[in-house]
Amino acid sequence: GEDVEQSLFLSVREGDSSVINCTYTDSSSTYLYWYKQEPGAGLQLLTYIFSNMDMKQDQRLTVLLNKKDKHLSLRIADTQTGDSAIYFCAELAGGYQKVTFGTGTKLQVIP
Amino acid sequence: DTGVSQNPRHKITKRGQNVTFRCDPISEHNRLYWYRQTLGQGPEFLTYFQNEAQLEKSRLLSDRFSAERPKGSFSTLEIQRTEQGDSAMYLCASTERVSGANVLTFGAGSRLTVL
Repeated sequence: GEDVEQSLFLSVREGDSSVINCTYTDSSSTYLYWYKQEPGAGLQLLTYIFSNMDMKQDQRLTVLLNKKDKHLSLRIADTQTGDSAIYFCAELAGGYQKVTFGTGTKLQVIP
Repeated sequence: DTGVSQNPRHKITKRGQNVTFRCDPISEHNRLYWYRQTLGQGPEFLTYFQNEAQLEKSRLLSDRFSAERPKGSFSTLEIQRTEQGDSAMYLCASTERVSGANVLTFGAGSRLTVL
């Protein structure tokens, strides 16, 4: 079955790198996603990775996927105060069209 | 296109009343999803439609919940005989299949408060 877990909270200083981690259980996951949710707003897609890839880079964002350990991470370089939000990891299980979300990691950026 | 639109944004109701939420997806998206999000949790899948067909429903969707997408465009989610445990943010999303990636575009949500 699907189960996606994340740590609840991360605090970093402005300008440092942030690394948000996620583990999932479904070995048939085909795509994995990172979404961002700011207060009072809907979820916004940041990036996604296909399961046969190890890494994807998009400007300040780097996604690393360890399929053997079912571990996904999101690195944000040069973290800014505007990056303060809740970050959700999500997976699309193979053969299904349902996207399952983790509990979210609240990122606090200290000026 | 202004994205996924949800109405109302906030609904306060008394226990036992019925409520209905509406979602207007992005026009060219043929898949539409409903999720529920409670405080401190991630979105929980409720149901999804491909065009007008409801293809999957979660066990979370009790018989008090019903969703429709009659013409394959907008969708409604009705909750009958609301309970305090129904208080949550109800999120709608529609999908653009980008190389099979099933990328969800979310609306801002409809917040339900049951007194």
